[in-house]
Amino acid sequence: KQEVTQIPAALSVPEGENLVLNCSFTDSAIYNLQWFRQDPGKGLTSLLLIQSSQREQTSGRLNASLDKSSGRSTLYIAASQPGDSATYLCAVNDMRFGAGTRLTVKP
Amino acid sequence: DAEITQSPRHKITETGRQVTLACHQTWNHNNMFWYRQDLGHGLRLIHYSYGVQDTNKGEVSDGYSVSRSNTEDLPLTLESAASSQTSVYFCASSPGPVVDTQYFGPGTRLTVL
Repeated sequence: KQEVTQIPAALSVPEGENLVLNCSFTDSAIYNLQWFRQDPGKGLTSLLLIQSSQREQTSGRLNASLDKSSGRSTLYIAASQPGDSATYLCAVNDMRFGAGTRLTVKP
Repeated sequence: DAEITQSPRHKITETGRQVTLACHQTWNHNNMFWYRQDLGHGLRLIHYSYGVQDTNKGEVSDGYSVSRSNTEDLPLTLESAASSQTSVYFCASSPGPVVDTQYFGPGTRLTVL
């Protein structure tokens, strides 16, 4: 059974800092991994999708990497802004989600 | 614009009642999913469908059912609501067939008293 873990559960950083969010999974036989953002009281918005054949994806200040052999993915956020404050979730194979990391970026 | 909608957005019901949550998408996506989100558990998959007449059980399917009679809709039915089913329910869709971005609805907050 695939288990997905996100540590830490919460993170607070000052504005402008570069940061890394972590996602670990137990079964390396995956076909994709997605990173989502969720604002309070809202649905999820897809940020980046990495297919199993890819090592990373980039969108603006966001970069997601995938290392299937070690069962890990990271989401790198450059030059963080208060508007980045949200919960970030990773999902493996569309259906197995981590519990998320709640990010607060302080002005 | 194409979108995915859920109704109702909020629902209060009593234990033992049957409840149906609606999900409607206008993207003509093949894949549709139902999740519940609870504190400490993240999102957990309830049921999913890869096309009309196709339905599959997810991780927490007990007490829930779905049917897919057309591409646009995947209603979620709670046969006999229980207090443990108090949660926020999210519907999602993706084009398919397999590797694709999921698009989420705004969620339905269900309270079972």
